[in-house]
Amino acid sequence: DSGVTQTPKHLITATGQRVTLRCSPRSGDLSVYWYQQSLDQGLQFLIQYYNGEERAKGNILERFSAQQFPDLHSELNLSSLELGDSALYFCASSVAPGGSAEQYFGPGTRLTVT
Amino acid sequence: GNSVTQMEGPVTLSEEAFLTINCTYTATGYPSLFWYVQYPGEGLQLLLKATKADDKGSNKGFEATYRKETTSFHLEKGSVQVSDSAVYFCALSLAGGTSYGKLTFGQGTILTVHP
Repeated sequence: DSGVTQTPKHLITATGQRVTLRCSPRSGDLSVYWYQQSLDQGLQFLIQYYNGEERAKGNILERFSAQQFPDLHSELNLSSLELGDSALYFCASSVAPGGSAEQYFGPGTRLTVT
Repeated sequence: GNSVTQMEGPVTLSEEAFLTINCTYTATGYPSLFWYVQYPGEGLQLLLKATKADDKGSNKGFEATYRKETTSFHLEKGSVQVSDSAVYFCALSLAGGTSYGKLTFGQGTILTVHP
């Protein structure tokens, strides 16, 4: 158990809908990362927050947004969903935002868009 | 840009065989290098890391050495077990610029170990 929790574990929804994925980082970790894992794209970095502020952005679509709250939990919002958004979404956390900091991953949320 | 290339898989071995999974990288700057493992139905677990040239990361019998001259970070284990069956990901992270802290992953290598 990494100490990172994600809810829900599974999500099935229809095209055009909006969903929210939630992540609670390990106790004491200030940095949160979101990744998408799909068969065709592999593991891709989406976005990073550190202590409530956005730090880095990857290949995140404009239909997706995220935020980190004062209690350090984070939410990833996916809207106008398309079939291609079906994937595993992972949250990770680390103590510091630096390059050598170890990132600890949650169990993921499997999103299926039908 | 930054990238990680892993050897083509899947890899199938018998128990107690020697394992090597090749990983090479391209990066602007001096990355930290990681190996993560993903067991079926689970998230990624950090296996080992190295933060500078010639560092050796090790954990649970697995080892990898940061080779700057060959831009490589190959994963090795002397004697694999059935319980090592999983997907292994090589990754890099840079300390600055727009890549700050993000992990860039290789495509993953599926390892299956038979009794």
